[in-house]
Amino acid sequence: SQQGEEDPQALSIQEGENATMNCSYKTSINNLQWYRQNSGRGLVHLILIRSNEREKHSGRLRVTLDTSKKSSSLLITASRAADTASYFCAVKTSYDKVIFGPGTSLSVIP
Amino acid sequence: EAEVAQSPRYKITEKSQAVAFWCDPISGHATLYWYRQILGQGPELLVQFQDESVVDDSQLPKDRFSAERLKGVDSTLKIQPAELGDSAMYLCASSRPEAGNTEAFFGQGTRLTVV
Repeated sequence: SQQGEEDPQALSIQEGENATMNCSYKTSINNLQWYRQNSGRGLVHLILIRSNEREKHSGRLRVTLDTSKKSSSLLITASRAADTASYFCAVKTSYDKVIFGPGTSLSVIP
Repeated sequence: EAEVAQSPRYKITEKSQAVAFWCDPISGHATLYWYRQILGQGPELLVQFQDESVVDDSQLPKDRFSAERLKGVDSTLKIQPAELGDSAMYLCASSRPEAGNTEAFFGQGTRLTVV
């Protein structure tokens, strides 16, 4: 069974707008990772946040983690058409098990 | 830059036939994962290896699926016999947990179509 649950399932925005995706999980974790997947391709790692961290930035990406609520959010600022993809959160448990959510499909309209 | 290698990239097979996928993880990565991803869904963990040992195969349909990593390096995932519902992307990933709190690196996957 999948531990991560992304919200929303699909998101459509105009280029230049910000995109926010949320992830909830059920178990205790070592870290939470966000991945991007272009259609029919492999998964590309975007950013990792450890369980003792609350916020992390990487370029136009901002990730937050609230372990008390077992939730995380991914913010993509100033979106571009090239950001169109599916985004997945994945939690890494204490047994190094990496479990994915169902993903958010992001469409950025030029 | 080191990558996880998978082959083949695409495979079409008839139902009831046997099919096998190969994965070569990044050198030095002790943990290897096999995932199945059905179109429109997130990856589902099938099996996890630590070196040559299976750590988790609770979601592996063991009546038809098998996985091995004999020397603790590359790995093979086999399906026999294949069924129509096995059509999916099969993804391999590796990581170095002993190096700290790190991410998993994914290969490009093998897209399986069962006809």
